[in-house]
Amino acid sequence: EAAVTQSPRNKVAVTGGKVTLSCNQTNNHNNMYWYRQDTGHGLRLIHYSYGAGSTEKGDIPDGYKASRPSQENFSLILELATPSQTSVYFCASGDRAGSYEQYFGPGTRLTVL
Amino acid sequence: TQTVSQSDAHVTVFEGDSVELRCNYSYGGSIYLSWYIQHHGRGLQFLLKYYSGNPVVQGVNGFKAEFSKSDSSFHLRKASVHWSDSAVYFCAVSAASSGSWQLIFGSGTQLTVMP
Repeated sequence: EAAVTQSPRNKVAVTGGKVTLSCNQTNNHNNMYWYRQDTGHGLRLIHYSYGAGSTEKGDIPDGYKASRPSQENFSLILELATPSQTSVYFCASGDRAGSYEQYFGPGTRLTVL
Repeated sequence: TQTVSQSDAHVTVFEGDSVELRCNYSYGGSIYLSWYIQHHGRGLQFLLKYYSGNPVVQGVNGFKAEFSKSDSSFHLRKASVHWSDSAVYFCAVSAASSGSWQLIFGSGTQLTVMP
């Protein structure tokens, strides 16, 4: 079965600090995605990747960077965290040919104080 | 630009009732439509999809959805709900012309099934 894992599952950070959220997938999917979920907004796409070494901006990339060092791993980096980035973050993977079907990780709850 | 609208933020029904969760989209070209389910504290799980052919698509656990081009809709239905169906349901659209196959999600509908 497809598997996407995220770490940490919960994180408390201070304003101005650096936060790295990690995602690992064992599906051998080319595409990976980072979303944030906030009440009333559904899921919004932050960054995505077509494969190792590739990162693309999604709909709300400001304040975030992404890194795809390998097929399996995709990180989301907040260089200077702000309270407005308090949210639940989801990573997902999808096959290039049919990425309308995405497989999601369990989420990371980030609180920036 | 494609958009997805889920008009009902909350739907409450009793166990055994039928339910319809509404989804409307706006896009003129070829699109994929899908539904995802999110149980509390979990990630989203794919439920079903439509691209072409029979406008009624069957998903897991008795869920089905019907595509209507004239109404720009893709409503999700279940004939008899169970308490375990309580979750948030997201409709999503992905446009063939976008190239990147990005999913655009609606804001979700919280389904609560009362015993």
